[in-house]
Amino acid sequence: KQEVTQIPAALSVPEGENLVLNCSFTDSAIYNLQWFRQDPGKGLTSLLLIQSSQREQTSGRLNASLDKSSGRSTLYIAASQPGDSATYLCAVTRAGSYQLTFGKGTKLSVIP
Amino acid sequence: GAGVSQSPRYKVAKRGQDVALRCDPISGHVSLFWYQQALGQGPEFLTYFQNEAQLDKSGLPSDRFFAERPEGSVSTLKIQRTQQEDSAVYLCASSLYAGWDTDTQYFGPGTRLTVL
Repeated sequence: KQEVTQIPAALSVPEGENLVLNCSFTDSAIYNLQWFRQDPGKGLTSLLLIQSSQREQTSGRLNASLDKSSGRSTLYIAASQPGDSATYLCAVTRAGSYQLTFGKGTKLSVIP
Repeated sequence: GAGVSQSPRYKVAKRGQDVALRCDPISGHVSLFWYQQALGQGPEFLTYFQNEAQLDKSGLPSDRFFAERPEGSVSTLKIQRTQQEDSAVYLCASSLYAGWDTDTQYFGPGTRLTVL
C-alpha cells in the first residue's frame, strides 16, 4: 500500500525567506505527483503536477522536483509572502488507479 | 466560471441519523471523486464516478456509505446511521476527462460533518 509522508508537519518562516517542503512515497511506481494548497475552510487548489517521466515543474515562485527512483519530491517556494500561509499537500497516483494518495500536509506560516 | 460547489457546508447530526451531502461538479466534467478528510489528516479516497457509472468504490469505509450520480452531473454521498467516527470534512472533486490518467482534479470547499 502506498504511503506518503510530508516533513515537516509545520513550518514558520519570516517573510522573504526561501523554503523547501518535502514529500516522500513508498511505492515508486507512480503515474504522477501533485502539490496542492489548502486554505482553512476551503478546498484544495492544485499548484503543480509532475508526470512520472518529468523531473521538475515551475510556476511563478514555485518549483517542484521529482526523484521517482528515490521516492522523493520537494516543493521550493522563493521569496515567501504572508499570502503563502496555508497547508501544502502532496499526492500521488499510480498507473491504472483513479485514486490520489495524499500525505498529511505541511502547515506553513509566513510571518510579516 | 463556477467551480465545484458542495452543500451543505456544515452539517451536525446526532448519532444514528442519516445524512446526504451534495456535490455539483464543474459543468461538463466527466470524472467525479469523493474524499474524506479527518482532522489533521490528508484526504482519503472514497469513490469515483465516470459520468453516471461508479467505477471504483473501494474507499467507502462501510456499507453505511452510499454514493450516486444518476444523471452524470450532480452527485450525492449518503451516510446511514452516522457514527462519531464519520465526523470529517467530505471533499468532492471533478475533472474534465475520463479514465485513470485523468488531468487535474478541481476540489470543492467541502462539507464539514460533525456527529454528536
